[in-house]
Amino acid sequence: QVQLVESGGGVVQPGGSLRLSCAASGFTFSSYGMHWVRQAPGKGLEWVAFIRYDGYNKFYADSVKGRFTISRDNSKNTLYLQMNSLRAEDTAVYYCAKGFGEAIDYWGQGTLVTVSS
Amino acid sequence: EIVMTQSPATLSVSPGERATLSCRASQSISSNLAWYQQKPGRAPRLLIYGASTRATGIPARFSGSGSGTEFTLTISSLQSEDFAVYYCQQYNDWPLTFGGGTKVEIK
Repeated sequence: QVQLVESGGGVVQPGGSLRLSCAASGFTFSSYGMHWVRQAPGKGLEWVAFIRYDGYNKFYADSVKGRFTISRDNSKNTLYLQMNSLRAEDTAVYYCAKGFGEAIDYWGQGTLVTVSS
Repeated sequence: EIVMTQSPATLSVSPGERATLSCRASQSISSNLAWYQQKPGRAPRLLIYGASTRATGIPARFSGSGSGTEFTLTISSLQSEDFAVYYCQQYNDWPLTFGGGTKVEIK
């Protein structure tokens, strides 16, 4: 069965950096686009970024463009999100999610990122 | 960006009753719409894609309809496990966008 396990969350100061990872299993990782979606405490879902199956096309939400970078290593079945210049409003649970076309069919359990001094 | 608007924000329904949730797109998205269910402390789960196709393992009491800018998720007879927050999402254009959610609560 599809499993997506995020890691790398934690507490970071404003202006700091963090890299999230997502270990994928149960499907052919190199054949699917992947997403990051976040959810601030008590709020709704916000799509963050997408990377095509081969890593060549990437898309970002305006709120993170220029600060976050999505990448993948198909040899390790792992998705990444490099987050720089973090702000308080980036505080959220970050979900790794498997693409289904451009939709999303499976989600990880999420990792919490807290940006606070 | 395409703005997705869900209504109502909260829907109070008795078990066994029908629930109708609405989602509107700020411009046409054809049938490129998905619905997700989220329970407290859990990840979202895909219910419907292509506006009307149920995802694998989703009970037949869940149905989706609509195209263009107006969409509906119907739960024909609410079960206790259906009380949750429901989100619509468009995947017609980048950036992908979600609606603000509808909370279905017990009346």
